[in-house]
Amino acid sequence: SQQGEEDPQALSIQEGENATMNCSYKTSINNLQWYRQNSGRGLVHLILIRSNEREKHSGRLRVTLDTSKKSSSLLITASRAADTASYFCATPDNTDKLIFGTGTRLQVFP
Amino acid sequence: DAGITQSPRHKVTETGTPVTLRCHQTENHRYMYWYRQDPGHGLRLIHYSYGVKDTDKGEVSDGYSVSRSKTEDFLLTLESATSSQTSVYFCAISPQGPYNEQFFGPGTRLTVL
Repeated sequence: SQQGEEDPQALSIQEGENATMNCSYKTSINNLQWYRQNSGRGLVHLILIRSNEREKHSGRLRVTLDTSKKSSSLLITASRAADTASYFCATPDNTDKLIFGTGTRLQVFP
Repeated sequence: DAGITQSPRHKVTETGTPVTLRCHQTENHRYMYWYRQDPGHGLRLIHYSYGVKDTDKGEVSDGYSVSRSKTEDFLLTLESATSSQTSVYFCAISPQGPYNEQFFGPGTRLTVL
């Protein structure tokens, strides 16, 4: 069962531009997490936003959460070539396990 | 990689053979997970463990078993490997417990011929 789904599936931008990716989920959650995966590597946790939070920042990352729409967005500002990676959202299901989406592949061109 | 190692990192095996993948952590956290990652499916949970000898099935557990006899090691066994088990396998820990952030190992790429 898939809880989170990212949109778009793929995104290509130039360095310096902002990148926005979205995540929709199906059931109520107590938090939503974003992860990054560089090619051939394991996932790296980026940010966790709790259900009672609407926005959270970490460096060039900005995450929003709209529980009424069951959606979240990840904004990467002033993107760099090093931001090229796949980005996943994850939400806990009703048995405490994280369910990951299929990811957004971000390509940042120099 | 948060003190998590996986071995082997790459393996090629034949259909019908048993395969064991090892996940080792250096910090004695209780919560450990095995996932597989396939194109179009994202990460899917195979098995998880909340402590020594405390394991349970995830979403895609058929054909897999696990064991955790020590806090630091979580073993994933394919009893009789099939081509559908060709995948990249990731181990993860969750230092602050379920619901919370997970730290992933580097992965094992398994090919079953």
